[in-house]
Amino acid sequence: GAVVSQHPSWVICKSGTSVKIECRSLDFQATTMFWYRQFPKQSLMLMATSNEGSKATYEQGVEKDKFLINHASLTLSTLTVTSAHPEDSSFYICSARGDSPDTQYFGPGTRLTVL
Amino acid sequence: QKEVEQNSGPLSVPEGAIASLNCTYSDRGSQSFFWYRQYSGKSPELIMSIYSNGDKEDGRFTAQLNKASQYVSLLIRDSQPSDSATYLCAPRHGGSYIPTFGRGTSLIVHP
Repeated sequence: GAVVSQHPSWVICKSGTSVKIECRSLDFQATTMFWYRQFPKQSLMLMATSNEGSKATYEQGVEKDKFLINHASLTLSTLTVTSAHPEDSSFYICSARGDSPDTQYFGPGTRLTVL
Repeated sequence: QKEVEQNSGPLSVPEGAIASLNCTYSDRGSQSFFWYRQYSGKSPELIMSIYSNGDKEDGRFTAQLNKASQYVSLLIRDSQPSDSATYLCAPRHGGSYIPTFGRGTSLIVHP
């Protein structure tokens, strides 16, 4: 099956710093990638939809200036958490859409801890 | 408002038993239904998808869909300790390609 990678798998940073998370589709081209956030014991919450070569579409309540998304190629999307604060600590998961609209491949996730 | 309801559990079953996981959804426009399994600290992985009313079987897993009742379930036969995880129900509206995830049901299979 299709493989999606994320880097880093975990990161610890100080409050106020920025953190970049990469999401790559390794063996297929993904015109659309999704970014989710998951707090403990909660469901996946869609943050934004990222389309290659265009601006990301953010879900209601997600600050686009705080969570910068870049989808510069068909295999790479990045999420940058700017000026991170402890409340941004969460599990960030990306997914990439395959050929079928019902095909969604998840990356392994990135656990962010902001001190 | 699109909502997905799942009993958070935990649902505890003995090894070898049938585990029954249930999900109700509010969006009548939902056309595709997905069950994901998520181990603690890991990302979700797709278990099954179902599109039509009735049952769909894949190995030890059976998905059941009743659109009239807005209800979808997942049965796991011969449950194994390795099935212990959180199971997420995710319907997808026909006009969208993004599923809506429920909070999931925690399943514990004890030896």
